Amino acid sequence: GQNIDQPTEMTATEGAIVQINCTYQTSGFNGLFWYQQHAGEAPTFLSYNVLDGLEEKGRFSSFLSRSKGYSYLLLKELQMKDSASYLCAVRDSNYQLIWGAGTKLIIKP
Amino acid sequence: ETGVTQTPRHLVMGMTNKKSLKCEQHLGHNAMYWYKQSAKKPLELMFVYNFKEQTENNSVPSRFSPECPNSSHLFLHLHTLQPEDSALYLCASSQSTENSGANVLTFGAGSRLTVL
Repeated sequence: GQNIDQPTEMTATEGAIVQINCTYQTSGFNGLFWYQQHAGEAPTFLSYNVLDGLEEKGRFSSFLSRSKGYSYLLLKELQMKDSASYLCAVRDSNYQLIWGAGTKLIIKP
Repeated sequence: ETGVTQTPRHLVMGMTNKKSLKCEQHLGHNAMYWYKQSAKKPLELMFVYNFKEQTENNSVPSRFSPECPNSSHLFLHLHTLQPEDSALYLCASSQSTENSGANVLTFGAGSRLTVL
């Protein structure tokens, strides 16, 4: 079967750096997405990786290794507003999105 | 209004009620989706419409009935639901379902459904 694994919950300190990992086993690969979802709000698109390597967007970076079936989302200079759930999703060979259960990130002062 | 708007935001219904969830997108997208989000579980795709035509129905029970009158509006009609159907129902849209590029989904804030 197809599977996306990511930690259920993580805690980090304001101003610090946190890395949220995502590993996947899917039937083929056509891109990996990260979404952010604040409580009671819509998931919003953060990043899309289809080639290996690091994509940087301001304080957020996303890394992909297709050979290892692995990605991470790196958040720098954490702010209280970064407290949210982070969803990892992979598009498989049928262009279906396979979702992880999300990682709840708690930022402490 | 911009983006994807869902109404109502909260809905409580009994198992014998009939209600509907509404979704509207102002992005000019051609594909619309219904997802179910339960606590600590991955998003579950329910239905997909591309250019008003249903292209996917992921073995969803018939007590959920989608309707897509045009590319901007999507409904989910609910009838004789079960308590386990209580969840957040998310609507999303994208340019299309064609297999090209990122085809990023834009989500609404969801309708929180509680079935008593």
